[in-house]
Amino acid sequence: EIVMTQSPATLSVSPGERATLSCRASQSVSSNLAWYQQKPGQAPRLLIYGASTRATGTPARFSGSGSGTEFTLTVNSLQSEDFAVYYCQQYYNWPTWTFGQGTKVEI
Amino acid sequence: EVELVESGGGLVQPGGSLRLSCAASGFTFSSYGMNWVRQTPGKGLEWVSYIGSRSDTILYADSVKGRFTISRDNAKNSLYLQMNSLRDEDTAVYYCARATIHGYDNWGQGTLVTVSS
Repeated sequence: EIVMTQSPATLSVSPGERATLSCRASQSVSSNLAWYQQKPGQAPRLLIYGASTRATGTPARFSGSGSGTEFTLTVNSLQSEDFAVYYCQQYYNWPTWTFGQGTKVEI
Repeated sequence: EVELVESGGGLVQPGGSLRLSCAASGFTFSSYGMNWVRQTPGKGLEWVSYIGSRSDTILYADSVKGRFTISRDNAKNSLYLQMNSLRDEDTAVYYCARATIHGYDNWGQGTLVTVSS
């Protein structure tokens, strides 16, 4: 099983600042990496796939980068609606697509 | 607009059974593989089961193999998960999720399953 490790567990930022989230895979997943956003009481929502492609409806302030085992999600100029938990997920090893444990972005 | 609506969750005793349903709308259900994914505070998000668009491929996580059965009815645009021999560790919010080559692009709102005596 491919283990996904996210850091930090919690990120405290102010509105308008930039947030940088990291995700590491225990083995190469190429660019088969997605990022999800989850708000309290809601299901995860696909934000980024292919490590860097924004899903439909994802604002341009969200950007993803990386390949292989190291990935980054950057959120520029954080808005109030961006405070949430973010998960990375590899979809290289079908069907056991595995998730990281999440990074909570809080004020 | 794609919509997935789960139902069937609830409180059940260890060893009991429960059947979850997921009603799909807004897309051609019969063209997509579907999944059940669960979420717990302790283990986070965990893939549970996958079924191909024509039920030709069915796969389970080792943690539920032999106890859970996934099925679908394309005529009714519905996905199911029959859960037997439930354990405490099966307590979770269960989501149905549509699978594409780029991950899970649509999720239901989830249904809570609590296994407790």
